[in-house]
Amino acid sequence: DAGVIQSPRHEVTEMGQEVTLRCKPISGHDYLFWYRQTMMRGLELLIYFNNNVPIDDSGMPEDRFSAKMPNASFSTLKIQPSEPRDSAVYFCASRKSGGYTFGSGTRLTVV
Amino acid sequence: AQSVTQPDIHITVSEGASLELRCNYSYGATPYLFWYVQSPGQGLQLLLKYFSGDTLVQGIKGFEAEFKRSQSSFNLRKPSVHWSDAAEYFCAVGARNQGGKLIFGQGTELSVKP
Repeated sequence: DAGVIQSPRHEVTEMGQEVTLRCKPISGHDYLFWYRQTMMRGLELLIYFNNNVPIDDSGMPEDRFSAKMPNASFSTLKIQPSEPRDSAVYFCASRKSGGYTFGSGTRLTVV
Repeated sequence: AQSVTQPDIHITVSEGASLELRCNYSYGATPYLFWYVQSPGQGLQLLLKYFSGDTLVQGIKGFEAEFKRSQSSFNLRKPSVHWSDAAEYFCAVGARNQGGKLIFGQGTELSVKP
């Protein structure tokens, strides 16, 4: 089991550019979560999916953020346009009936 | 809505000393409870979890936690800390009736003195 796989590990982009973060959950897991971690706000839940359907996106900070899960093995989090305040580590996690498994995260820096 | 409070932002203990990290939660029913550890630049690793049953839960790396419903607490303990335990520790609560989404505390940073 390769665990939850996120790409890229690091992303540096200029303000105004589009950024796409990717996540491959563990096979068979039916929940997928996107979190953002910053020093100021800690770990915040952005959105989560159940069986590829978005269930709660109340944590998505604004319309510049969007997330999709076109199939059970892939999800994306897109920021368009990006701003410096979006700089953070973004984690993806997946879950079945037991615990939650987190990916290694994507460290995003917007300059 | 559920919430989690970790009162201690930073704790320093000597190697070999015992450790207790505090966690209090707010939720209307019995939640799922978790402790995660994060080393610098790394993801979150699950230490232990409580779903139901025995309120004293054993985890990896010699950690344990005790669920106390009357105090709404789920404190993490270790009898003898090792230098490699230095990291940030997060308590999290999951709502049983909300798809199990996890809400995290602000974290406690643990430093270990030689």
